[in-house]
Amino acid sequence: SYVLTQPPSVSVAPGRTARITCGGNNIGSKSVHWYQQKPGQAPVLVIYYDSDRPSGIPERFSGSNSGNTATLTISRVEAGDEADYYCQVWDGISDHVVFGGGTTLTVL
Amino acid sequence: EVQVLESGGGLVQPGGSLRLSCAASGFTFSTYTMNWVRQAPGKGLEWVSAISDSGISTYYIDSVKGRFTISRDNSKNTLYLRMNILRAEDTALYYCAKNIKGSSWPPHDAFDIWGRGTMVTVSS
Repeated sequence: SYVLTQPPSVSVAPGRTARITCGGNNIGSKSVHWYQQKPGQAPVLVIYYDSDRPSGIPERFSGSNSGNTATLTISRVEAGDEADYYCQVWDGISDHVVFGGGTTLTVL
Repeated sequence: EVQVLESGGGLVQPGGSLRLSCAASGFTFSTYTMNWVRQAPGKGLEWVSAISDSGISTYYIDSVKGRFTISRDNSKNTLYLRMNILRAEDTALYYCAKNIKGSSWPPHDAFDIWGRGTMVTVSS
């Protein structure tokens, strides 16, 4: 089955840029969605179709997808961005929705 | 306000059964693909099942095939997950999630609305 690989953790200082990667075989041919989940809360969609932002999500959140890696970029990181982030795709071979293992973003 | 609200979780013995419900409001439920996603304590997200807007088509993760059944009642704006032969590894917080685009099948879209989840604990 299709596997999405994320780094377990990413740390960044406030005001800097955080990049969270999501690796998968030829993931550039798929649509990637990203979620933010804070402790004790339900996931929140932050990026869909690789780079679209839902209403209410700050422009600081952006996404890209090419080759074997999709990337969620958070500019001008704030303390409130500390959370777990998950990528998601649809695998048409297995007919499964697949999530990455998640990345914990720590703001130093 | 667009929202979904899960219920029906609880403590059940291995081999037992539960039925989860998800009540939807604020959108035209009958025109959206719906999903169940679970999260074991301290673990990541795991998609469980999806159902088309009409309820005719469904998909399941391999580990629940033959044990879980997703269904919906569009007249009641409610999504269900019938869980049989429950195992300890099914212990998780179960979320109901709505696809961002209506009538999208297969379910390749993002999930834009999530409930707060209902906890299922399988233990003797």
